[in-house]
Amino acid sequence: DTEVTQTPKHLVMGMTNKKSLKCEQHMGHRAMYWYKQKAKKPPELMFVYSYEKLSINESVPSRFSPECPNSSLLNLHLHALQPEDSALYLCASSQTTGGGQETQYFGPGTRLLVL
Amino acid sequence: AQTVTQSQPEMSVQEAETVTLSCTYDTSENNYYLFWYKQPPSRQMILVIRQEAYKQQNATENRFSVNFQKAAKSFSLKISDSQLGDTAMYFCAFMKHSSSGNTGKLIFGQGTTLQVKP
Repeated sequence: DTEVTQTPKHLVMGMTNKKSLKCEQHMGHRAMYWYKQKAKKPPELMFVYSYEKLSINESVPSRFSPECPNSSLLNLHLHALQPEDSALYLCASSQTTGGGQETQYFGPGTRLLVL
Repeated sequence: AQTVTQSQPEMSVQEAETVTLSCTYDTSENNYYLFWYKQPPSRQMILVIRQEAYKQQNATENRFSVNFQKAAKSFSLKISDSQLGDTAMYFCAFMKHSSSGNTGKLIFGQGTTLQVKP
């Protein structure tokens, strides 16, 4: 089973709203990732968590705040977003970030529209 | 820095025929992994195939196979007996091996949109 789930599927928010995206996996993976993807473009890495600790922040603006409450759950808190932040947000997980277990499995994504 | 190049933005193929998607990459690393991911119009990114650079044998998964040429830094994907469900955007991706300080970062190409025609 290589299932990564994401909620909600769609989200519309105003620039002053606060919302959260949720990602969950029950494969025992210890690495989780957030990506942003614009239409017809490859995913862009935002954050990497390894063993519930933030290991990579790709210089993402502070209006995006990741959280990893436990090894199965990854959240992305959104606040004061801009219209250009509208995109598909993908979550992924892998067993680890090394040791031959780096293959990432992606969730279906949350399509975000910022008005 | 590593880069991945997919030189074919769009391709089409007739159902049941064979198509090859090209991918080249640039790296000074010796140990790494290469991947092909498929993203159908429903948008879920799906792993198609994975290749370890230290393995000379080309990876295969049913109708999908790769031609891995390490010296040429080429990693093409061949889809045999194309099906309508193969219509998708295909991304080639590179990842350093953990011995090279990999931190889980995937480097993606720009993607190739493949349309399978009935």
